[in-house]
Amino acid sequence: AQSVTQLGSHVSVSEGALVLLRCNYSSSVPPYLFWYVQYPNQGLQLLLKYTSAATLVKGINGFEAEFKKSETSFHLTKPSAHMSDAAEYFCAVSEISSGSARQLTFGSGTQLTVLP
Amino acid sequence: NAGVTQTPKFQVLKTGQSMTLQCAQDMNHEYMSWYRQDPGMGLRLIHYSVGAGITDQGEVPNGYNVSRSTTEDFPLRLLSAAPSQTSVYFCASSYLFMGSSGANVLTFGAGSRLTVL
Repeated sequence: AQSVTQLGSHVSVSEGALVLLRCNYSSSVPPYLFWYVQYPNQGLQLLLKYTSAATLVKGINGFEAEFKKSETSFHLTKPSAHMSDAAEYFCAVSEISSGSARQLTFGSGTQLTVLP
Repeated sequence: NAGVTQTPKFQVLKTGQSMTLQCAQDMNHEYMSWYRQDPGMGLRLIHYSVGAGITDQGEVPNGYNVSRSTTEDFPLRLLSAAPSQTSVYFCASSYLFMGSSGANVLTFGAGSRLTVL
């Protein structure tokens, strides 16, 4: 069974500071990993995804994440936070079987606050 | 492009009432799903469908019914609403089989906020 743990339900950073949102996963087979962002009163949007190609994945809005198999981690980073990055971020894992996509399992989310 | 459209955006029900949350997508996606979002619990899968006429249960299916008569529509029915079903509901869809990118990305609707009194 697959699962996702996001460490820290709330993270605050100053504008211009490094953003680090932590995600650890559990999967019985090589996983696909995703980060989604949710702005207030909106649905989820894909930030980036890992699909077993490059371990360092670049996404939209300057975010990137590194897949570390030995640590079963997929932490999300951004070198310099912007006020517009304030949102809730979800890590998700999907196991692939028989060439078709399976259901996503989401973490509990991390609310990012950016302080001026 | 409309993407995934959910209606209504807001709904207040009394305990025991029934209602249907509508979801429609115009991307010809085979896979459709319903999630509920509750504070501190992330998104949990209620039901999903891999094509017209095929549905299956997710993690939290109790109290909800679905059907998939067309590729485009995937309504979620609450037959007898309970306060525990107060939540924000998201419909999401994707292609079923992986393309060259190697992973299918869900497209989400804007959500339906349901309050059961």
